[in-house]
Amino acid sequence: GESVGLHLPTLSVQEGDNSIINCAYSNSASDYFIWYKQESGKGPQFIIDIRSNMDKRQGQRVTVLLNKTVKHLSLQIAATQPGDSAVYFCAENNQKDSWGKLQFGAGTQVVVTP
Amino acid sequence: DTAVSQTPKYLVTQMGNDKSIKCEQNLGHDTMYWYKQDSKKFLKIMFSYNNKELIINETVPNRFSPKSPDKAHLNLHINSLELGDSAVYFCASSRVTRGEKLFFGSGTQLSVL
Repeated sequence: GESVGLHLPTLSVQEGDNSIINCAYSNSASDYFIWYKQESGKGPQFIIDIRSNMDKRQGQRVTVLLNKTVKHLSLQIAATQPGDSAVYFCAENNQKDSWGKLQFGAGTQVVVTP
Repeated sequence: DTAVSQTPKYLVTQMGNDKSIKCEQNLGHDTMYWYKQDSKKFLKIMFSYNNKELIINETVPNRFSPKSPDKAHLNLHINSLELGDSAVYFCASSRVTRGEKLFFGSGTQLSVL
């Protein structure tokens, strides 16, 4: 399944399938990007980050892809599990100009169905 | 041990009251933050402190006053609470000031009646 972020859409994914969550960022000067997962009633939890000198980074079952040309970020989750159900946020920062101003997108709700 | 802990988890109060939210981190980080999450889940930074010094102060009503007694604590005091202050407030910390890899607390849900 695939979805575009920023307006809290819902992405419904079948258990075991791969998920793709998309994010369009706004600032062409942003050089640091990060994905967070927020489960109901909890705080955002770090998933993976990437700097602008890279276009791909992999973690455990997750991959972040960065396309600076079109200002697009995506998070791929392999073999989606019920525990992956949450709201996913992308965030960006221009680390040359800002002091910790991590700017968050609006989030994408991921619902994993059996 | 909880890395970033904030209290209380729920806060229900009347308009006009003054309330405080406390935050503590045991990660040894130098930078702490307050974020506000509205009903649409949008997260917006309010304040950031580095080693007890205010470094980010976004456009926040001056009814909101952060206080950092030491680098492990960042409290948020809100005067004259308004209905529009109802939200979830998150404390966070990071090792560096550049706003990367923030560790968040579990949030304080504030309801102003």
